Formats: sequence, C-alpha cells, structure tokens
Amino acid sequence: QVQLVESGGGVVQPGRSLRLSCVASRFTFNNYAMHWVRQAPGKGLEWVAVISDDGVNKHYADSVKGRFTISRDNSKNTLYLQMNSPRPEDTAVYYCARDRSATTGTTIGYWGQGTLVTVSS
Amino acid sequence: AIQMTQSPSSLSASVGDRVTITCRASQGIRNDLGWYQQKPGKAPKLLIYAASSLQTGVPSRFSGSGSGTDFTLTISSLQTEDFATYYCLQDYNYPRTFGQGTKVEIK
Repeated sequence: QVQLVESGGGVVQPGRSLRLSCVASRFTFNNYAMHWVRQAPGKGLEWVAVISDDGVNKHYADSVKGRFTISRDNSKNTLYLQMNSPRPEDTAVYYCARDRSATTGTTIGYWGQGTLVTVSS
Repeated sequence: AIQMTQSPSSLSASVGDRVTITCRASQGIRNDLGWYQQKPGKAPKLLIYAASSLQTGVPSRFSGSGSGTDFTLTISSLQTEDFATYYCLQDYNYPRTFGQGTKVEIK
C-alpha cells in the first residue's frame, strides 16, 4: 500500500520561510510525478504544484508561483515544498500526493495524511 | 486556467437514494477527469479516473460518465458511509483545477 508521510508543518510568521517534506514508501518513488495540494480551513481543495519523476519539469498554481518551490530527492524518496514569503492566505493543510500511475498526465491517485501550516504573526 | 464548476454545492439525501453530481469544465478536457471523496479530517480518496474508470477497491455503486466539458458522478444507492464531500479534478493540463466540492448530507 502506497505510503506518504508529510512533516514540517507548524506556525510560521508572514514573510519567513518553511520547508515541508514528504517521505514516500512502498512504491518506486522515482517512477512517479508528485504533487502538493492544500486545503484552507473549511474550504475546498487547491492544487499547488507538481514535479516530474526525474525532477526536471515543474508546474505551479498562480497563487504560489515565485514564492514556493517544489523539489525532490529520489535517493531519499522524499518530496519537498519550500515556502518562501508565506502569507496568511497560505494557511492550510498541505497534502503530498502521487499520480495514480506512472503514465504521464494521469490523475492524482494517492494522498498523504496532510500537515497543517498556519501563517500568523 | 481551466475552471471546473461543480453542482450542486450541497445536497440532502436518504440512504438508498440515487445521487448525481455534475462537473462542467470551461473548455474541453477529453475524459481527463477524476472524482474524489473526502470525509472530515481525512485525505481525499480517488473514486473514478479517466471520467468513467472505477478505482480499484471502490464499490460499484459509484460510477462516472461524460467527456469534453460535462461530467457526472452517480451513486446508485447511497449508503451511510457515502456521506462526505465530493470533488472533481481535471488532469488535462496544468494548473490542475478542482471543482468547489459537493457536500452530501443526510436528509
């Protein structure tokens, strides 16, 4: 069973930085594109970013472009989200997620349990 | 970015009811659509991919249909464990976009 475990959430002041991590197991990590998806308290799901299996191709939501950076270390089976200059509206549960299959362009198939990020002074 | 308009935003239904949720894309997305179920405090769970394919382990009372711009998720006979919020997600291009969600509540 695919396992994705996020960490690194917490309270961060606006304008500071925070890095989220997601450790993957029970599948061949370097075969799959990986995503970050977030959910503000009481709100719907918002896709944040994706990185290709080899780490070369990345895409971002307009709301985080230029502030957040997605990366991965395939030797450590770990996905990252570097959050620079966070804003109060970035407060959310952040989910790490994997494509359903190794085929390019499939939908998100598996999710971690999420980590809560609160941006507040 | 492609906009996904989901309706209704909420509905009340009884156990055994047939429930239909729709999602409309602002442009054609072939059949590149998934449906997810989310319960409070839990991560979403994939139900349907490629608009109409049932994810492994998902009960057959869930079905999906549609292509192009109009899509439907149907629960043929609502069960107690199906009370949750449902989202569609287009995987046609980036940025990926979700519908705003449909909360299915007990009547």
